[in-house]
Amino acid sequence: ETGVTQSPTHLIKTRGQQVTLRCSSQSGHNTVSWYQQALGQGPQFIFQYYREEENGRGNFPPRFSGLQFPNYSSELNVNALELDDSALYLCASSGGLGQPQHFGDGTRLSIL
Amino acid sequence: AQSVAQPEDQVNVAEGNPLTVKCTYSVSGNPYLFWYVQYPNRGLQFLLKYITGDNLVKGSYGFEAEFNKSQTSFHLKKPSALVSDSALYFCAVRDTFSGTYKYIFGTGTRLKVLA
Repeated sequence: ETGVTQSPTHLIKTRGQQVTLRCSSQSGHNTVSWYQQALGQGPQFIFQYYREEENGRGNFPPRFSGLQFPNYSSELNVNALELDDSALYLCASSGGLGQPQHFGDGTRLSIL
Repeated sequence: AQSVAQPEDQVNVAEGNPLTVKCTYSVSGNPYLFWYVQYPNRGLQFLLKYITGDNLVKGSYGFEAEFNKSQTSFHLKKPSALVSDSALYFCAVRDTFSGTYKYIFGTGTRLKVLA
């Protein structure tokens, strides 16, 4: 059984640029949640996709957007990058709403 | 609002001694509680969960947690610490209001096991 995989593992961008992070969910999982973990903090919920539709959003501005594809993989897009966007971005998949979430190893995004 | 608190930024314990990492929660209704561990440059690794049933929950790698409803606590414990247990530990509660069932995490406790 393949777990949750995220790509890339590390990324360096400059302010104002745009970035796309990718997540392949665990086999059989139709729900993907994205979290931002700033240095020294716990993960913060960004948004969730369930069967290709956004199913809820945390306190993040609209420049954070996402997609879920028919195979349930997902993308997180961030426009107009700011220094404070530097963080570990974690993807978690689950077999349905309310089911246990399984996390990937994350993408470390650094903004210069 | 639902939340969890981890009052200790860091816990130091000698190898072979018992360890406790503290977590308190604030929820309306029945809490769904989790512990995760994070090693450097890695994602979150599930340790254990409490949904209902016995107040003592056993998890991975010899960890267990005690659910205490009256004290609204869910402390993580291990009878004998290993140096390899040194990592960042997160307590989380599952949101039951928004329909996302998202996890609300504490700020984390760094556990350092000294040889």
